[in-house]
Amino acid sequence: EADIYQTPRYLVIGTGKKITLECSQTMGHDKMYWYQQDPGMELHLIHYSYGVNSTEKGDLSSESTVSRIRTEHFPLTLESARPSHTSQYLCASTGYEGYTFGSGTRLTVV
Amino acid sequence: GENVEQHPSTLSVQEGDSAVIKCTYSDSASNYFPWYKQELGKGPQLIIDIRSNVGEKKDQRIAVTLNKTAKHFSLHITETQPEDSAVYFCAALKGGTYKYIFGTGTRLKVLA
Repeated sequence: EADIYQTPRYLVIGTGKKITLECSQTMGHDKMYWYQQDPGMELHLIHYSYGVNSTEKGDLSSESTVSRIRTEHFPLTLESARPSHTSQYLCASTGYEGYTFGSGTRLTVV
Repeated sequence: GENVEQHPSTLSVQEGDSAVIKCTYSDSASNYFPWYKQELGKGPQLIIDIRSNVGEKKDQRIAVTLNKTAKHFSLHITETQPEDSAVYFCAALKGGTYKYIFGTGTRLKVLA
């Protein structure tokens, strides 16, 4: 049973629209992450947070933004979606060992 | 910067045979190495991990070995089954941080 939830699972949206990808975890983890996974499988860290009101950019530059107002919630927002944003987005959290990943959101911008 | 190299990128084995995936890391401060399995349409799931003070760890049909001197670690799957078919990622905890550096993934296909 998943302890980290991502919604929606799939999203097809038009260029220029604002979107928010939701991520929530019930494990009380302080550390949360967003990864972008390209079709070639590689995982690229785009944002992370070590606690409430703490957010940092990851290794891959992204036009998205994140917020961390509550421990359990780490949403990702794209103000103006573009076809280049089409990808799989994975949210993760960690306590002491390893990540727990959500099932991902597959975003398609047309 | 620090990186993790993973080989092979694709691997096909006959059901019942063994599969080995190898990773090399560069950050000498890394001390924790998890392995993830990603099935189609799902997020990666932690399947086994190893800390730098241990050379080998086994859990049923899967095992991980670590050579800290050579900065190598490997995943071994014995008696492979079709349900082992998935993408596998190795990772290394970046020293002094809570961030993981991931390998580029291995697509394992077990042929029935």
